[in-house]
Amino acid sequence: DAGVTQSPTHLIKTRGQHVTLRCSPISGHKSVSWYQQVLGQGPQFIFQYYEKEERGRGNFPDRFSARQFPNYSSELNVNALLLGDSALYLCASSSRTGGGKNIQYFGAGTRLSVL
Amino acid sequence: GIQVEQSPPDLILQEGANSTLRCNFSDSVNNLQWFHQNPWGQLINLFYIPSGTKQNGRLSATTVATERYSLLYISSSQTTDSGVYFCAVAFGTGANNLFFGTGTRLTVIP
Repeated sequence: DAGVTQSPTHLIKTRGQHVTLRCSPISGHKSVSWYQQVLGQGPQFIFQYYEKEERGRGNFPDRFSARQFPNYSSELNVNALLLGDSALYLCASSSRTGGGKNIQYFGAGTRLSVL
Repeated sequence: GIQVEQSPPDLILQEGANSTLRCNFSDSVNNLQWFHQNPWGQLINLFYIPSGTKQNGRLSATTVATERYSLLYISSSQTTDSGVYFCAVAFGTGANNLFFGTGTRLTVIP
């Protein structure tokens, strides 16, 4: 079975542009979460979606938005890119929305560089 | 506030040596996972261990939830063990978002 897949793997954008990152969860998983990892730090939670509804949001500006599709894949959108948005963006999928045995599995990430 | 602290921040070992990585967290957790991040950025699941002890080959982990810490043991280390090890926790009931520590960077030299 395929794991969590993310596309693209690398992306270069300039300040002020918009970017869309994509994630397909593990088959059968209904929850997708997005994380941002800046160089030298641990990942930080951005959003969680379960059954196409937003279930959690981290401390990120409104320039960041996401959605989940009926097939449980997800998109992360970032508008008006800033240099500080340069990071590795990670997607995680899990079978549950929280509590219990809720193991999260991560994709290989999209490395975004903003020039 | 919410805190997840890992120690040591950096660790250099000779191949074959053993090591212990520690994760302290500030509140009760419903999820605790250990990850190994390889040089390409992939987070590899090592353990799901909100409490108790588990072993997988040369790796084992113990979480003492009442004392709010978890330990990751690596025995007979190999060069392929190099990378950053993260502890991540979800707090409270029903919460799904993981809070990550700052990681332990392990370098195993031949």
